[in-house]
Amino acid sequence: AQSVSQHNHHVILSEAASLELGCNYSYGGTVNLFWYVQYPGQHLQLLLKYFSGDPLVKGIKGFEAEFIKSKFSFNLRKPSVQWSDTAEYFCAVNAGNYGQNFVFGPGTRLSVLP
Amino acid sequence: SQTIHQWPATLVQPVGSPLSLECTVEGTSNPNLYWYRQAAGRGLQLLFYSVGIGQISSEVPQNLSASRPQDRQFILSSKKLLLSDSGFYLCAWDRDRSLALHFGNGTRLTVT
Repeated sequence: AQSVSQHNHHVILSEAASLELGCNYSYGGTVNLFWYVQYPGQHLQLLLKYFSGDPLVKGIKGFEAEFIKSKFSFNLRKPSVQWSDTAEYFCAVNAGNYGQNFVFGPGTRLSVLP
Repeated sequence: SQTIHQWPATLVQPVGSPLSLECTVEGTSNPNLYWYRQAAGRGLQLLFYSVGIGQISSEVPQNLSASRPQDRQFILSSKKLLLSDSGFYLCAWDRDRSLALHFGNGTRLTVT
């Protein structure tokens, strides 16, 4: 069975600091990879996704993620965080072509201090 | 554009009482619909999904059930709530092979 791990439960950064949130998955075959974000009081929304092609994908609000197949990783990065990036971030993997095949990581809570 | 509505936003229910959470999707037809439970520090757990009216698949055996009486309506129910049913419940939808789940705002359920 697939599983997704996220390295940090809670990350605290100051504004303008660089961000990297780790995500590793366990599955030997082809996967589709996602990062979702949940801002305080809001619904989960898609930040970015990787299906194929360039392993460096860019998402909304200046986020990017790099798929490293050999490391089974899909880390999320942002060069300079803002207070408004405070949220919970979820990595997800889908090894099939249907929504019921999604497996989510436990989430990383990011707190950005002004 | 498509929107998903989920209600109520919060709910406090006594043990043994029934439950009904509703989710509706607008702006699309024949969506796949999902119920997830989000537990702190444990991500999202898929509870039920439906690919069409009256078609329900359960991922986790439990005290809950789901129904899809209409194309864009998905209901999560329980006849008798347990304390362990407390949690944050999310409804989501997608279209086949779109691989982008769209979530509602969730319902915070507290069973007392």
